[in-house]
Amino acid sequence: SQQGEEDPQALSIQEGENATMNCSYKTSINNLQWYRQNSGRGLVHLILIRSNEREKHSGRLRVTLDTSKKSSSLLITASRAADTASYFCATSLYNTDKLIFGTGTRLQVFP
Amino acid sequence: NAGVTQTPKFQVLKTGQSMTLQCAQDMNHEYMSWYRQDPGMGLRLIHYSVGAGITDQGEVPNGYNVSRSTTEDFPLRLLSAAPSQTSVYFCASRQGRSTYNEQFFGPGTRLTVL
Repeated sequence: SQQGEEDPQALSIQEGENATMNCSYKTSINNLQWYRQNSGRGLVHLILIRSNEREKHSGRLRVTLDTSKKSSSLLITASRAADTASYFCATSLYNTDKLIFGTGTRLQVFP
Repeated sequence: NAGVTQTPKFQVLKTGQSMTLQCAQDMNHEYMSWYRQDPGMGLRLIHYSVGAGITDQGEVPNGYNVSRSTTEDFPLRLLSAAPSQTSVYFCASRQGRSTYNEQFFGPGTRLTVL
């Protein structure tokens, strides 16, 4: 079974709107990371949040982490057409060096 | 820096054939890994290496072999290709074992097994 599952599976919005995607996981983690994948390309690291952090910002990205609910959310503010991509969360399990990826959210931003 | 490079970009095999997917990085990263990406499944770890001469199995290792003779290269071998191995394969690297270090991905190899 998947450690990380994103919700929704797909999201369509207009430019300028905010996009929120969620990630749930099952076991204790060291950190949680978000990646972006443009169509036909490799994954690109966006942001990492440690298990003892609750919120982190990077440019138009805001990530929250709720370890009691085993969930994280990625908010992209003022979306642009160039944000169209799939977004994946990845969890680093406690005491391991492996990253476990979720199933991803496909974001479409219309101009 | 070229980062993480993978060859070939596309490959079609017949069932039973063998081949090697190449991966190289020029960032002197110790940790390298191979993932496969299938629709609806996310990325699943196949094999990984924490340094030259050291490899270990990931989540889905069956049907694949790896070796790490140099820091730069981490080839993935398909011993006898099966249709279930049709997938997109990604190589990744990062500095050291710590997951707090940023992981970099190659552009992927799209493999079809007929």
